[in-house]
Amino acid sequence: AQSVTQLDSQVPVFEEAPVELRCNYSSSVSVYLFWYVQYPNQGLQLLLKYLSGSTLVESINGFEAEFNKSQTSFHLRKPSVHISDTAEYFCAVSDLSAGNMLTFGGGTRLMVKP
Amino acid sequence: DAGITQSPRYKITETGRQVTLMCHQTWSHSYMFWYRQDLGHGLRLIYYSAAADITDKGEVPDGYVVSRSKTENFPLTLESATRSQTSVYFCASSEWVAGETEQFFGPGTRLTVL
Repeated sequence: AQSVTQLDSQVPVFEEAPVELRCNYSSSVSVYLFWYVQYPNQGLQLLLKYLSGSTLVESINGFEAEFNKSQTSFHLRKPSVHISDTAEYFCAVSDLSAGNMLTFGGGTRLMVKP
Repeated sequence: DAGITQSPRYKITETGRQVTLMCHQTWSHSYMFWYRQDLGHGLRLIYYSAAADITDKGEVPDGYVVSRSKTENFPLTLESATRSQTSVYFCASSEWVAGETEQFFGPGTRLTVL
């Protein structure tokens, strides 16, 4: 079974600073990778996904993530964060043999300070 | 309303009572999922369904029952609620389209078992 590790439970950062949220998964078999964002008292929204093709994927609000197969990682980065980016971020992996099932990491709370 | 909805949004119940959480999606997605979200654990899969009348256990199924008589509905029943089932419950749905997939989440149900 897959496992997903988000190495930091909380990441405090000042506004306009860069940030990296780390995600590692357990298996090197073919996988789909996702980052979801959860704003306070809301459900999860897809931020970006890697299914195939270019290993660098981008979201519409400036986040990007790079799939690194050899390191089994899918770290999320943003060069300059805003107060509005304060949220919980979840990395998830779907093993191609497991259909549409997702395994989630424990989440990283990004706290952007003015 | 289009999308995926959950009801109730908030529920307080007592130990030993039966509780049913409802999930409805309007996209006719084949796959539906139930997760619970607890601090430090991220989201854990309770049950999932690949189609109407097809359900299977996830990571933490004990104490829960699901059914899926219609594609658009996927109710989750706690047969005899326990305090350890206090959590936020999320329903999700997904489909494969042109080789791509993602899960869409409902707004969640916050359940408190006293």
